[in-house]
Amino acid sequence: DIQMTQSPSSLSASVGERVTITCQASQDITNYLNWFQQKPGKAPKLLIHDVSNLETGVTNRFSGSGSGTDFTFTISSLQPEDIATYYCQQYDNLPYTFGQGTKLEIK
Amino acid sequence: QVQLVESGGRLVKPGGSLRLSCAASGFTFTDYYMHWIRQAPGKGLEWISYISSNSGIIKYADSVKGRFTISRDNAKNSLYLGMNNLRADDTAVYFCAREAAGVLHPLDYWGQGTLVTVSS
Repeated sequence: DIQMTQSPSSLSASVGERVTITCQASQDITNYLNWFQQKPGKAPKLLIHDVSNLETGVTNRFSGSGSGTDFTFTISSLQPEDIATYYCQQYDNLPYTFGQGTKLEIK
Repeated sequence: QVQLVESGGRLVKPGGSLRLSCAASGFTFTDYYMHWIRQAPGKGLEWISYISSNSGIIKYADSVKGRFTISRDNAKNSLYLGMNNLRADDTAVYFCAREAAGVLHPLDYWGQGTLVTVSS
């Protein structure tokens, strides 16, 4: 199985600050990497697919980059509504696997 | 609009059985593969099973293989998860999610989940 190592596990930042989350795959997953946002009691919401493709309706404050095994998710200017847990996920191979999650809080 | 609505979760004793359902609407069900993913309380996401659009390909995570059975009824636009020999560590919210059929597409829409609690 492909292991996804996501960091940090939690992050506290100020409104307006730039936030970066990293995700490392245990093997090359090409570009089959998604980012999800999950708010408490809700289903995960797909934000970015294939490393850097923003889903329709998702704010362009969110962006993704990377290739192979190393990926990054960035919020350019943190807003209060961005408070959530974020997960990376690979779908290069079954079983699909997720990072451990990054819980984002406002400082 | 796209809707995936899970049901069937409840409190069940260890060793017991349960069948979860996921009702799909707002899209052509047969154009999509379907998945079950679960989330233990306060924990991360764990993919557990996949079924292709015509049920020809089925996959399971090792943690549920031999105990869980995924199925779908395309005439009823419904996905199912049969769960046997339940254990305490199966306690989780169970989500269904769709993936467009074809070569590698993301899990683009998820239901709200149904809670399964395994406890004596």
